[in-house]
Amino acid sequence: AQSVSQHNHHVILSEAASLELGCNYSYGGTVNLFWYVQYPGQHLQLLLKYFSGDPLVKGIKGFEAEFIKSKFSFNLRKPSVQWSDTAEYFCAVIRPSGGFKTIFGAGTRLFVKA
Amino acid sequence: EAGVAQSPRYKIIEKRQSVAFWCNPISGHATLYWYQQILGQGPKLLIQFQNNGVVDDSQLPKDRFSAERLKGVDSTLKIQPAKLEDSAVYLCASNMIRGPNTEAFFGQGTRLTVV
Repeated sequence: AQSVSQHNHHVILSEAASLELGCNYSYGGTVNLFWYVQYPGQHLQLLLKYFSGDPLVKGIKGFEAEFIKSKFSFNLRKPSVQWSDTAEYFCAVIRPSGGFKTIFGAGTRLFVKA
Repeated sequence: EAGVAQSPRYKIIEKRQSVAFWCNPISGHATLYWYQQILGQGPKLLIQFQNNGVVDDSQLPKDRFSAERLKGVDSTLKIQPAKLEDSAVYLCASNMIRGPNTEAFFGQGTRLTVV
């Protein structure tokens, strides 16, 4: 079973629509959580990260994510998407007890229609 | 600070040939990782080094893949012989583990096409 699950493989939205991408992980204990974005033809870039503290994390380009420990979730949100947000989004987990390896979800491919 | 450097950026080889990728991590980062990202999938960890020692190579296809980090700094990943299904982007990442909060920094990757 996959350790980091992203619910949607493909999402198509119109500009100005709201976005929520789901991410669940199956590890117990302390985790560090990340969302990465990969624009077409480019390398992975960090959008935001959660280590501790406020479970609502704000990242670059208007993205935010909420860590809900009881649900083992770290969903990514953006109130109003733009055409330039077309990209693939990866949720990732690091477990300090697991050797600090970054474990990725399968990714969600977002296409925003202009 | 300089990021994780990888070379080459692109490589096209025929099946059964060999290929090598190089990675120079961020200075001072003791931990180095190699990932394989097949088109349409998330990156999959191949091997993790701590300094010059292997921490985890459980998902490395050892019959054809090898990696080394002899001096605990830069690293090479080799495939010999390559198969069509090895076509992917090979990502190198590094981090410096200080306490429970850490993140990995990724290079731009090497895109391998096996024909």
